[in-house]
Amino acid sequence: DAGITQSPRHKVTETGTPVTLRCHQTENHRYMYWYRQDPGHGLRLIHYSYGVKDTDKGEVSDGYSVSRSKTEDFLLTLESATSSQTSVYFCAISEGSLYGYTFGSGTRLTVV
Amino acid sequence: TQLLEQSPQFLSIQEGENLTVYCNSSSVFSSLQWYRQEPGEGPVLLVTVVTGGEVKKLKRLTFQFGDARKDSSLHITAAQPGDTGLYLCQFAGSGYALNFGKGTSLLVTP
Repeated sequence: DAGITQSPRHKVTETGTPVTLRCHQTENHRYMYWYRQDPGHGLRLIHYSYGVKDTDKGEVSDGYSVSRSKTEDFLLTLESATSSQTSVYFCAISEGSLYGYTFGSGTRLTVV
Repeated sequence: TQLLEQSPQFLSIQEGENLTVYCNSSSVFSSLQWYRQEPGEGPVLLVTVVTGGEVKKLKRLTFQFGDARKDSSLHITAAQPGDTGLYLCQFAGSGYALNFGKGTSLLVTP
């Protein structure tokens, strides 16, 4: 019974289409994060949330938007997918900086 | 921008060998975490260190936080193939989001 789940696990989409990735948690953690992981770049923060309807940009936020209408769900939307957004996307949750993160299993997104 | 440097970037060793990987920054950390990531999965938290000079042990893994809280090391004794993975360090900087190093990719062959 994972405390954090991501969906879908894999997705192939066409350039120019919108895509939404979902992160769902059952831990009631305040903080939620979206990262992308690419070879040579490590984990890069896209957006994060510090409460319901409270979100902020990370270092690679261009072309992405997020929403958090409930504590348990954090959605990442690629407004118009591009090939440069082909990546593995990870969601993470946290209670605070002293506790580290719990990561989801990731979504492998391919934009063709 | 606060940066974390991890070294080495890649490490390939034989089963039974010992190894140490490092995480360094010019900034002082309030806390530091280590994770291991296996292929196709998300990173998994191994340990959090908070106090300068702190040493924590997790079976064959020993984590040390530098006295000045600017660096940390992870030592693995008698490495096993199951230790293979990407080792990431993370620190609490300013704001709500924590920063990651790029990781050390470890391969342990039988």
